[in-house]
Amino acid sequence: AQSVTQPDIHITVSEGASLELRCNYSYGATPYLFWYVQSPGQGLQLLLKYFSGDTLVQGIKGFEAEFKRSQSSFNLRKPSVHWSDAAEYFCAPEGSNTGKLIFGQGTTLQVKP
Amino acid sequence: EAGVTQFPSHSVIEKGQTVTLRCDPISGHDNLYWYRRVMGKEIKFLLHFVKESKQDESGMPNNRFLAERTGGTYSTLKVQPAELEDSGVYFCASSQGLLPSNEQFFGPGTRLTVL
Repeated sequence: AQSVTQPDIHITVSEGASLELRCNYSYGATPYLFWYVQSPGQGLQLLLKYFSGDTLVQGIKGFEAEFKRSQSSFNLRKPSVHWSDAAEYFCAPEGSNTGKLIFGQGTTLQVKP
Repeated sequence: EAGVTQFPSHSVIEKGQTVTLRCDPISGHDNLYWYRRVMGKEIKFLLHFVKESKQDESGMPNNRFLAERTGGTYSTLKVQPAELEDSGVYFCASSQGLLPSNEQFFGPGTRLTVL
């Protein structure tokens, strides 16, 4: 069965520190891969997506993610976290060719001043 | 351009009552999706419309849930009768075109509480 795992439910980092949020998926073939962010009171916003080609993809707000086929991972990174990055982050593969997203459990990021 | 809107933002009802959630997608978006997040769980797919047709309703929990998209514009999701386990946040998303890789734009969600 298709599944996705975000191992870290909560992460706390200091402002200015680097960030890596983990995502592992289990699919028969490489799915389309998305990272979404949800700030309090807001809808989910797309940060970045991977379909094919270059395995390092750039997104909005200074985020990037690297697809590693051998590890079935699509980890999200940011070199220097800002206080406004505090939010919940979701990894969401799409493997059915219908647009149906399968969401991970989400990782809540807290940023310390 | 207006984003995806959902109404109401919050709804508190008693078990056994009926509630109807509404989603207005971005104008021109043929694809409309409903998702739900129950407290403490992951966001789960409910169903997918392409224009007015149900493309995939494999995620609908049971026959107490009825989704419609008359005219291929806005959509409603009715829960009748509501049960305690229906509480959660219901998200709507829309996307343009037929490619599964197209970005889905999400609404802010409707928080449903069933007492």
